[in-house]
Amino acid sequence: GAVVSQHPSRVICKSGTSVKIECRSLDFQATTMFWYRQFPKKSLMLMATSNEGSKATYEQGVEKDKFLINHASLTLSTLTVTSAHPEDSSFYICSAVPDISYEQYFGPGTRLTVT
Amino acid sequence: QQQVKQSPQSLIVQKGGISIINCAYENTAFDYFPWYQQFPGKGPALLIAIRPDVSEKKEGRFTISFNKSAKQFSLHIMDSQPGDSATYFCAARGGTSYGKLTFGQGTILTVHP
Repeated sequence: GAVVSQHPSRVICKSGTSVKIECRSLDFQATTMFWYRQFPKKSLMLMATSNEGSKATYEQGVEKDKFLINHASLTLSTLTVTSAHPEDSSFYICSAVPDISYEQYFGPGTRLTVT
Repeated sequence: QQQVKQSPQSLIVQKGGISIINCAYENTAFDYFPWYQQFPGKGPALLIAIRPDVSEKKEGRFTISFNKSAKQFSLHIMDSQPGDSATYFCAARGGTSYGKLTFGQGTILTVHP
């Protein structure tokens, strides 16, 4: 089956620093990747849609200057949380789509803790 | 109109029982309805999915029932096991948000041994 990895799985950083999270599709090429945020015991909240070779499309209310998304290749998208603050602490999950009509395959998630 | 409403919020079932989770939607342009299972600290995993031209789909112990006229769909887990204890999300795709998934609020299922 299609496998999506995320790195790191857990990260702790100090307030004011930036953190980069990688999302990779391991056995398929993903023209589209999605980034989600999930709070404890809550549903997934879509942050942005990332298309290879073009700028990401952010959902309403998501600060694009704070959450930088780069989809540099068909197998890699990165989310950089800039100048992180404790309120950015969350579970970040990516998903990858081989084609817009296919299923989304989810990564295992990255737990970000900002101290 | 893009919302998907899921119920119940939590569900406790005895081992061997049937777990039923319901979802309702408004947007008739949705064309794909997956269910995801998520364990604590993990990403969601696709369990089973259905398209609106089918009223029921069964895979092992998991069955989706789909009622297009009522704009509702449900997940049935037969012979529920303690290992099924997880959070379940319904979702819908299509309409104006092409490719994006709209998730339900989630149901925390606990199966007691």
